[in-house]
Amino acid sequence: GEDVEQSLFLSVREGDSSVINCTYTDSSSTYLYWYKQEPGAGLQLLTYIFSNMDMKQDQRLTVLLNKKDKHLSLRIADTQTGDSAIYFCAEFGAAGNKLTFGGGTRVLVKP
Amino acid sequence: ETGVTQTPRHLVMGMTNKKSLKCEQHLGHNAMYWYKQSAKKPLELMFVYSLEERVENNSVPSRFSPECPNSSHLFLHLHTLQPEDSALYLCASSRGLTGELFFGEGSRLTVL
Repeated sequence: GEDVEQSLFLSVREGDSSVINCTYTDSSSTYLYWYKQEPGAGLQLLTYIFSNMDMKQDQRLTVLLNKKDKHLSLRIADTQTGDSAIYFCAEFGAAGNKLTFGGGTRVLVKP
Repeated sequence: ETGVTQTPRHLVMGMTNKKSLKCEQHLGHNAMYWYKQSAKKPLELMFVYSLEERVENNSVPSRFSPECPNSSHLFLHLHTLQPEDSALYLCASSRGLTGELFFGEGSRLTVL
């Protein structure tokens, strides 16, 4: 079955870059997503990448996909305190038309 | 404001109570979802409705009963819950069955 893994925690200084990593097991995923959850809120879609791409850039966000290693990363440039949140990686398509989420990475941005 | 509204935001109930969670979306979407988010597990998909028909039911106990009367509204009826059902229940919607979900802010449920 499908499985999506993320590290639990990342601490970064304001202004530095953050890199959040994710691995998944099923190569039949069609899309991979990054969602952000701020305290007391639901999840918000940040960005996504189609499985036949290896990179996507959207302002401060860069998504890298290594399909051979089934590794996905999200880089946030010039990290701000407002970027403190839980970031979820998710894959779509391996188990039918539904998302499978990782456990989330809590990012803490220190001033 | 995501266009998906959940009520109530907080609910405390005893194990013998019956209550309902409500979700409403104003995005013109035709698929709606219930997820459970608890501290020690990844997000768990509970139910999926597409065009008002249930298309996914992930082995959820019968004490949770969903209802989708139209494409804009989704309910989760709760009956005889257990303390381990305490969690954040998230509703989401999408245009078709895709991975681009729009989430509400959740209903925080505490079962005493």
